[in-house]
Amino acid sequence: NAGVMQNPRHLVRRRGQEARLRCSPMKGHSHVYWYRQLPEEGLKFMVYLQKENIIDESGMPKERFSAEFPKEGPSILRIQQVVRGDSAAYFCASSPSTGGNLHEQYFGPGTRLTVT
Amino acid sequence: AQTVTQSQPEMSVQEAETVTLSCTYDTSESDYYLFWYKQPPSRQMILVIRQEAYKQQNATENRFSVNFQKAAKSFSLKISDSQLGDAAMYFCAYRRVDFGNEKLTFGTGTRLTIIP
Repeated sequence: NAGVMQNPRHLVRRRGQEARLRCSPMKGHSHVYWYRQLPEEGLKFMVYLQKENIIDESGMPKERFSAEFPKEGPSILRIQQVVRGDSAAYFCASSPSTGGNLHEQYFGPGTRLTVT
Repeated sequence: AQTVTQSQPEMSVQEAETVTLSCTYDTSESDYYLFWYKQPPSRQMILVIRQEAYKQQNATENRFSVNFQKAAKSFSLKISDSQLGDAAMYFCAYRRVDFGNEKLTFGTGTRLTIIP
């Protein structure tokens, strides 16, 4: 049973370009979470999505960042017009259900974004 | 808002000895979940142990155990018989119980070094 897949593992973008990060949840999981880890810091929540719905985007910057989780295909975190401060590791996690039950979030290996 | 504090940026322990990592949190909720995650140099987030706040019994997973003090809002991790493979960043995390609030709130982490 494959784990959470993220690609690419490493992404280099110049300032002003767009970055697209992909996350395929574990089989049978329909809930996806994105977290950002700045150097030497803990993970910070960005957004929580279910299929075709954004449930909680309280951690997303107001501009340039967007996320989607379509009915078919992976979840995408999109960063437009990247700046050096966007350089970080971006982690995706998935879980099989919600509703207040204790269900572990399974993390992917992360995408390290470097903006030059 | 919930906050998680790890006051020890770095810790070291002799191989085979015991070490305790500290974590405190702030919440007004009475029911919630607490976690310890390990992040080795590979950056993969690995769940070490979890605790449901309504359970008085401290969780244990092999060499890993917690000391959960609900009134003091303290959740420390004890690693017994430390091994070289335990060297990693350790993050304490909090999660609410209610639906739509499954996001994890992480502390800033403790870097654990194992001395051979």
